[in-house]
Amino acid sequence: AQRVTQPEKLLSVFKGAPVELKCNYSYSGSPELFWYVQYSRQRLQLLLRHISRESIKGFTADLNKGETSFHLKKPFAQEEDSAMYYCALDNNYGQNFVFGPGTRLSVLP
Amino acid sequence: DGGITQSPKYLFRKEGQNVTLSCEQNLNHDAMYWYRQDPGQGLRLIYYSQIVNDFQKGDIAEGYSVSREKKESFPLTVTSAQKNPTAFYLCASRRSRGNTEAFFGQGTRLTVV
Repeated sequence: AQRVTQPEKLLSVFKGAPVELKCNYSYSGSPELFWYVQYSRQRLQLLLRHISRESIKGFTADLNKGETSFHLKKPFAQEEDSAMYYCALDNNYGQNFVFGPGTRLSVLP
Repeated sequence: DGGITQSPKYLFRKEGQNVTLSCEQNLNHDAMYWYRQDPGQGLRLIYYSQIVNDFQKGDIAEGYSVSREKKESFPLTVTSAQKNPTAFYLCASRRSRGNTEAFFGQGTRLTVV
């Protein structure tokens, strides 16, 4: 069965510091991986997906199949980055679309 | 106004009663999902549907039921068999499987009184 883990429930960093939110997955095939974000009083929304290899709001994430990880990184955190971040996985057949438990990022002034 | 809409925003239920949560989308998406969001547990998949008249159980389907009679609609019924129904419920839709963006509703907070 596919599974997503995010080991940190809460991550606090100071403004301007680098941030890394960890995501590990278990799936025997080739997964599709995503990061979703939920800002205060807003809907859950897509931040980025691994297939696009994009950088959104300064965030990047690299899929490491050897370590089965998809960590989210940003070199300089901003206060507006404070939110709940979820890592998500979809298998190639779209039969399931599962999320990790989430990490709350708090960027301190 | 396009998107995915859940109703109601807040719902109160007496113990022993069934209750149905509504989820409607006008995005012409094939796939729809129901998640339960609890503090510290993230989003847990209840049911999903890839196409009309077909749906599959997720990780925590016990005590829940769904239907998918129309492409736009995917209602979730919380039955009296659900032992701990008080939670925040999120509905999502996607164009198709695989590498496509999911769009989420605003959620319904269900409280059993």
